[in-house]
Amino acid sequence: SAVISQKPSRDICQRGTSLTIQCQVDSQVTMMFWYRQQPGQSLTLIATANQGSEATYESGFVIDKFPISRPNLTFSTLTVSNMSPEDSSIYLCSANQGGRIAEQYFGPGTRLTVT
Amino acid sequence: GQNIDQPTEMTATEGAIVQINCTYQTSGFNGLFWYQQHAGEAPTFLSYNVLDGLEEKGRFSSFLSRSKGYSYLLLKELQMKDSASYLCAVESGGSYIPTFGRGTSLIVHP
Repeated sequence: SAVISQKPSRDICQRGTSLTIQCQVDSQVTMMFWYRQQPGQSLTLIATANQGSEATYESGFVIDKFPISRPNLTFSTLTVSNMSPEDSSIYLCSANQGGRIAEQYFGPGTRLTVT
Repeated sequence: GQNIDQPTEMTATEGAIVQINCTYQTSGFNGLFWYQQHAGEAPTFLSYNVLDGLEEKGRFSSFLSRSKGYSYLLLKELQMKDSASYLCAVESGGSYIPTFGRGTSLIVHP
């Protein structure tokens, strides 16, 4: 199993600013991901964080808005840039070991409110 | 793409049994997950079905029919702490990254 921590747990930010969320896993993992979960909605995959290369973004998400870093096998960051109230959401980091029957582990999430 | 459907909300009585259904439409099915998510917390893994049939794990069981694109999560001897959102997620195609349904909010009352 893997234990995932995120910082900050919550933040209130002003429109136009940027916030970087950190994700730390207690063991090396093959794959790391970033999800967004808006109130009452399911988890939407933003991107796969690739170690040593650019992240792979899902449709509707772009690098300029959500730059992602993954410098090693246990750590990743997601930046929410030039924020607007529509970015208010919970952002979750997750990880798995890749391959079949890969249980997905989740961090506790970062609750972001943009005013 | 994938289309995953679950009921939005269900209520049940403590001690009872509840079945949460999930239907999906996808190509290249790999497997189906069920996750539990309490309010304000991260989702936690409950089960993973690859083959047809019932997988039992304590009070929770999960069933899969690949030909029907259908799964259910069965919760027995319901407890108040089982009040949570239950997420169905499907892996398909060459990607082993699950796509999540909207989740079913289960309310257990005394």
